[in-house]
Amino acid sequence: AQTVTQSQPEMSVQEAETVTLSCTYDTSENNYYLFWYKQPPSRQMILVIRQEAYKQQNATENRFSVNFQKAAKSFSLKISDSQLGDTAMYFCAFRYTTSGTYKYIFGTGTRLKVLA
Amino acid sequence: NAGVTQTPKFQVLKTGQSMTLQCAQDMNHEYMSWYRQDPGMGLRLIHYSVGAGITDQGEVPNGYNVSRSTTEDFPLRLLSAAPSQTSVYFCASSRTVYSNQPQHFGDGTRLSIL
Repeated sequence: AQTVTQSQPEMSVQEAETVTLSCTYDTSENNYYLFWYKQPPSRQMILVIRQEAYKQQNATENRFSVNFQKAAKSFSLKISDSQLGDTAMYFCAFRYTTSGTYKYIFGTGTRLKVLA
Repeated sequence: NAGVTQTPKFQVLKTGQSMTLQCAQDMNHEYMSWYRQDPGMGLRLIHYSVGAGITDQGEVPNGYNVSRSTTEDFPLRLLSAAPSQTSVYFCASSRTVYSNQPQHFGDGTRLSIL
C-alpha cells in the first residue's frame, strides 16, 4: 500500500527566513509523481511544485524548491524568503498508476504560519 | 476561465436527508475525482472517474454515489446523510493517466450534517 507521511503538524517561520517541510512516502512503484499543494485560509488547493520520480534533478519554482531523495523516499519542500502570503496548510501528495488509471494519496498536512 | 466549479459552497443537512454536490469542469479533462477533507486526515479519495460512463470507488466510498454521464459533470450524491459525513468536499479534475499534469481543484463544499 502507498502511504504519505507528514510528521510536522504545525510549523512557524519568521518573514524572510527559510523553512523546510518534510514528507516521506512508502511505495513499491518505480514510476510516480510527487506534488506539494498549498491550501490558504480561502480553502483553495493550489499546486506549488511537482517532481517526476524518474528525474534526478530537484524541481524549483521561484522561492519553492524540493529535496527529492528517491532511495530514502523523501520529498521535502523548502520555502526561501518566506512571505506572509505563504501562511497556509501544505499537503504532500503522491500519484501512482494502477489498473490503467491513477490515484493520489495525500499526507495529513503541515500548517505553516509566517510571522511578521 | 472557470476551471473546476463546485456548488453549493456551503450546505447544512439533517440526518437522513439526501443531496447532490455538483461538480463541473470546462477543460475537457477525462479524469475527475471527489475527496473529503477532515481535520488531521488530509484528503481522502471517495470516488473517481476516468471518463464518461466509467466510475470507480476510492478509499472511502460508503454512503456516496457518483455518475458520469458527460465529460464535464461529475456529481456526488449522499443517499442518506449521516453526521459522520460532515466534512469539506473537493472535486478535482486532470488529464489522462498518460499526462504529468496535476489535478485542478474546485473551491470545495463545506457540508454539515446535524
